[in-house]
Amino acid sequence: DAGITQSPRHKVTETGTPVTLRCHQTENHRYMYWYRQDPGHGLRLIHYSYGVKDTDKGEVSDGYSVSRSKTEDFLLTLESATSSQTSVYFCAISESDGLSGANVLTFGAGSRLTVL
Amino acid sequence: QQQVKQSPQSLIVQKGGISIINCAYENTAFDYFPWYQQFPGKGPALLIAIRPDVSEKKEGRFTISFNKSAKQFSLHIMDSQPGDSATYFCAAGVGGATNKLIFGTGTLLAVQP
Repeated sequence: DAGITQSPRHKVTETGTPVTLRCHQTENHRYMYWYRQDPGHGLRLIHYSYGVKDTDKGEVSDGYSVSRSKTEDFLLTLESATSSQTSVYFCAISESDGLSGANVLTFGAGSRLTVL
Repeated sequence: QQQVKQSPQSLIVQKGGISIINCAYENTAFDYFPWYQQFPGKGPALLIAIRPDVSEKKEGRFTISFNKSAKQFSLHIMDSQPGDSATYFCAAGVGGATNKLIFGTGTLLAVQP
C-alpha cells in the first residue's frame, strides 16, 4: 500500500461521539486524501490536503474536519458521529505516473466505521 | 454534469469469457479516464488509464475502449480468470488533478471457474 497505514482498521461507536481516523504515510507525499466508500455511491472525496496545514473540501465534506500538522499524518475527525457516516473510509496519496502527466491515486487498506 | 454512470452493478462471467463494464460521462472537459480494481478488504488500485487522444489502450488482458463522441468508455477483460473477481471502478478527471476525480458507482465482477 505504498507506505500508507490507516488506523483504526475497524471501529464501532455510538451516535454523537467524536471519532478520529488516522492516515500515516512514509514516503513524503505532498497530497493526501480522505474518501468514503458506500454501496451505490462508489468513492467520494471528503477532504484533501496539499501540504502541511493546507487542506480543502471535497464533494462530501459536511460533518467532517481534517488536520495535517506533519507531512506524514492526515487526520479525519467526525465531531459528532451520525449513522449516515457509517462507511468505509480510505486514505490516499497521489503521485505522478511519470508518463502522461496524470496523478495516480494509491489507497490505504481502509477503515470500517460503524455508528450505532 | 459531474456524474460518471457505470454499468452493470454486478456481473457474472465464466472462466475464459469476456467481461465488459461500461461508463458514461457528461462533462466534456474530462480528459483522463482511469479504471481501479479493488479486492475484498483492500483499497482500490489503479488498473489501467486512458487519455482521449486514443480510442483504445491495451495492457495484457485488460483493454479500455474510448468513444469520445458518445462520451463513453469501457473496460474489457479478455480470458477472464477467477483471480479477476473484484470490484471495478471507472473514473473521470480533468488535467490529471486527482482532487477532481469523479468515480463511478462500481461493478462487482465474479468469474466462475
